[in-house]
Amino acid sequence: GAVVSQHPSRVICKSGTSVKIECRSLDFQATTMFWYRQFPKQSLMLMATSNEGSKATYEQGVEKDKFLINHASLTLSTLTVTSAHPEDSSFYICSAKGQGIRETDTQYFGPGTRLTVL
Amino acid sequence: KQEVTQIPAALSVPEGENLVLNCSFTDSAIYNLQWFRQDPGKGLTSLLLIQSSQREQTSGRLNASLDKSSGRSTLYIAASQPGDSATYLCAVKDYGQNFVFGPGTRLSVLP
Repeated sequence: GAVVSQHPSRVICKSGTSVKIECRSLDFQATTMFWYRQFPKQSLMLMATSNEGSKATYEQGVEKDKFLINHASLTLSTLTVTSAHPEDSSFYICSAKGQGIRETDTQYFGPGTRLTVL
Repeated sequence: KQEVTQIPAALSVPEGENLVLNCSFTDSAIYNLQWFRQDPGKGLTSLLLIQSSQREQTSGRLNASLDKSSGRSTLYIAASQPGDSATYLCAVKDYGQNFVFGPGTRLSVLP
């Protein structure tokens, strides 16, 4: 149980286009979802935290107008990278915690999405 | 601001060796500490979670210790195998329930 999926696993796009990444909790209700970014050979950095039905809380230095987060249901959160540029190329990982699982305080991580902007 | 460091950055050992990975954190006011494994281009797999009141946790060939007062944790891997090759991440969770990750240790176990 407690599986988190991401789609797509890999995406390549042209500079200036927008890309949407989906994060789904498959067998539990994700009341809170987290979005992380990981640059090559660096650690995960938290970008934003979203609670279902509320606006996301962004970490310092993360542009909320560039990284749009929607958490409209208890099983789905989306991250849209608007007007993507090569410097946005990174590995994006989501995690979720919530209800309907034994350990409600544990974050379960998705497999990640590799974004390459040409 | 919490900072997490990991030593060494990379490690290469022959199969069968016992090894220790180190994690240090600057603020001892942590909720818990977790060790993860990350395979190339993949997400995270949780290995061990130590609550702030605990000193160690064990799972199979893995043992993690926590010394909160000195801001240190170690991950001990016994009888290493090529399948253990991965990046190992240490992460501390603060009372705001946010993770702060270390940069990781890239482990290669040679057959």
